[in-house]
Amino acid sequence: DTGVSQDPRHKITKRGQNVTFRCDPISEHNRLYWYRQTLGQGPEFLTYFQNEAQLEKSRLLSDRFSAERPKGSFSTLEIQRTEQGDSAMYLCASSLALAGIREFFGPGTRLTVL
Amino acid sequence: DQQVKQNSPSLSVQEGRISILNCDYTNSMFDYFLWYKKYPAEGPTFLISISSIKDKNEDGRFTVFLNKSAKHLSLHIVPSQPGDSAVYFCAASFQGAQKLVFGQGTRLTINP
Repeated sequence: DTGVSQDPRHKITKRGQNVTFRCDPISEHNRLYWYRQTLGQGPEFLTYFQNEAQLEKSRLLSDRFSAERPKGSFSTLEIQRTEQGDSAMYLCASSLALAGIREFFGPGTRLTVL
Repeated sequence: DQQVKQNSPSLSVQEGRISILNCDYTNSMFDYFLWYKKYPAEGPTFLISISSIKDKNEDGRFTVFLNKSAKHLSLHIVPSQPGDSAVYFCAASFQGAQKLVFGQGTRLTINP
């Protein structure tokens, strides 16, 4: 299966700790997106990359959040000094720029901040 | 500011009947709409899409209708099957935007 993969699938951490999530997109996809989903809501856009360039960031992405895609392949999302409000499902998606806006999603990383 | 709204949190339909899921949007710049289906512990999976130049798109049991004047779209599933039980998200985008704006989702339950 060459779909989008995310690691870890679940993360429990204490408030104030740093966490890092990884996303591996579909190999030929040059666009990569991060979304956050809280209970009872749809996914909310956080940021996206085209190749290694981060082209847009949502205002939801506070300065405690940083995302990278160093070689235009996998991406990492780091949250520093986690807060209980950061508890959510973090979804990664990828797409091919010339194939339109259809995005393929990974299974997500569920973060619980105690 | 909820630009894409799914006002029904849940819907229950009998197997074999038609399921109709609704979605409203407020941003007139949206010109491309998608429906995603989500099972528990999985990411959303693409179901069907429609461009604003069309008012209907059909794929097997799934049909999406777009009413631009009303800023409304709907997803019809017929006949409904137990495997269709999932959360359905409506999403929208527009030319030049490289992101999707999602509704809150509707949980569809198909009863045998």
